[in-house]
Amino acid sequence: AQSVSQHNHHVILSEAASLELGCNYSYGGTVNLFWYVQYPGQHLQLLLKYFSGDPLVKGIKGFEAEFIKSKFSFNLRKPSVQWSDTAEYFCAVKAAGSGSARQLTFGSGTQLTVLP
Amino acid sequence: GAGVSQSPSNKVTEKGKDVELRCDPISGHTALYWYRQSLGQGLEFLIYFQGNSAPDKSGLPSDRFSAERTGGSVSTLTIQRTQQEDSAVYLCASSPLSYGYTFGSGTRLTVV
Repeated sequence: AQSVSQHNHHVILSEAASLELGCNYSYGGTVNLFWYVQYPGQHLQLLLKYFSGDPLVKGIKGFEAEFIKSKFSFNLRKPSVQWSDTAEYFCAVKAAGSGSARQLTFGSGTQLTVLP
Repeated sequence: GAGVSQSPSNKVTEKGKDVELRCDPISGHTALYWYRQSLGQGLEFLIYFQGNSAPDKSGLPSDRFSAERTGGSVSTLTIQRTQQEDSAVYLCASSPLSYGYTFGSGTRLTVV
């Protein structure tokens, strides 16, 4: 079974600061990787996903993530955060293959607070 | 509809009562998932349905939890004899054959 670790539970940044949220997973096979965001009072939304190919993936709102297979990592980055990025961020992993019929395993989430 | 709809959005119940949570997935999505989000925790997988296949119930925490999906569409998650530790946000998601999870807004369950 796969597992996901997000080591930062709460990150506080000032606007324009750079962001990197850590995500490490544990699984012996091929994986699909995801970052979701949950803005206050809203539902989970997909930020970006990695299935194959270029390990640097770009998502919405200026976010990107890099898959480093040797480190089992999929860290989320943004060069300059905005107050509106305040939200909870979840990393998730799914065993690749068998279509969508495999459930996602989520990390415990990182609460990002951006100070204006 | 345009998204995954869950009802009720909030539910307060007394310990020991049964509750039913409803999920209307996006039309045409063959897979449907239930997750639980507890305060300070990540999302815990509960159960998923894929087409007409037998559901994967491996995440259900106890036999007080059950779910069904009627006609390949609407799903109901039932919690019998609720306990305070059942208090959480219950999230439903659906996806088509190819990847594309869409989450609902969740049902916040409070057991008092």
